Amino acid sequence: DGGITQSPKYLFRKEGQNVTLSCEQNLNHDAMYWYRQDPGQGLRLIYYSQIVNDFQKGDIAEGYSVSREKKESFPLTVTSAQKNPTAFYLCASSIGTSYGYTFGSGTRLTVV
Amino acid sequence: KQEVTQIPAALSVPEGENLVLNCSFTDSAIYNLQWFRQDPGKGLTSLLLIQSSQREQTSGRLNASLDKSSGRSTLYIAASQPGDSATYLCAVRPGGRDDKIIFGKGTRLHILP
Repeated sequence: DGGITQSPKYLFRKEGQNVTLSCEQNLNHDAMYWYRQDPGQGLRLIYYSQIVNDFQKGDIAEGYSVSREKKESFPLTVTSAQKNPTAFYLCASSIGTSYGYTFGSGTRLTVV
Repeated sequence: KQEVTQIPAALSVPEGENLVLNCSFTDSAIYNLQWFRQDPGKGLTSLLLIQSSQREQTSGRLNASLDKSSGRSTLYIAASQPGDSATYLCAVRPGGRDDKIIFGKGTRLHILP
């Protein structure tokens, strides 16, 4: 079955550590997106990529970094510069502007 | 700047009732509008996608309508069931080169058995 796989489901980060969240899709979608979800805040866009080797900052990119070396993969690194990283992170993909978004099942990141 | 609003933020109704969830947006220049469902701690599941040229889409007990000129969409759920309890989000895909969909904050729905 085609879809988006996010891993791990739960992730714990110590203060000062960088961690990387994985997002892989086998839908042959060109565009991929990372969102952060906090209670009462709704979904906020971190980064997005419309083609391989290209990506743009979203609304809250500070403290995060991404890469898009392969069409199928769009990993998100939460760096130590992100002061409040505890949140639920969602990855999405889309094939084009006339189509909808498909989401993964999310990664819950907690700072310990 | 496009803004998406969903009212009410939360809704509780008895099982079996038909209900309507509302979504409004400020800029009518959109490619499409998508309704999602989110269960606690889970990702988003797409329910219905309405293109800007369409007036409505149906899937089972769900019907979504779109009125671009007034900036409104509704999600109609017929014969509600406890399993429909979830948060429902709408999202619009703006026209133009800025290909980033914009979400409302959602309506948290609780169906009372």
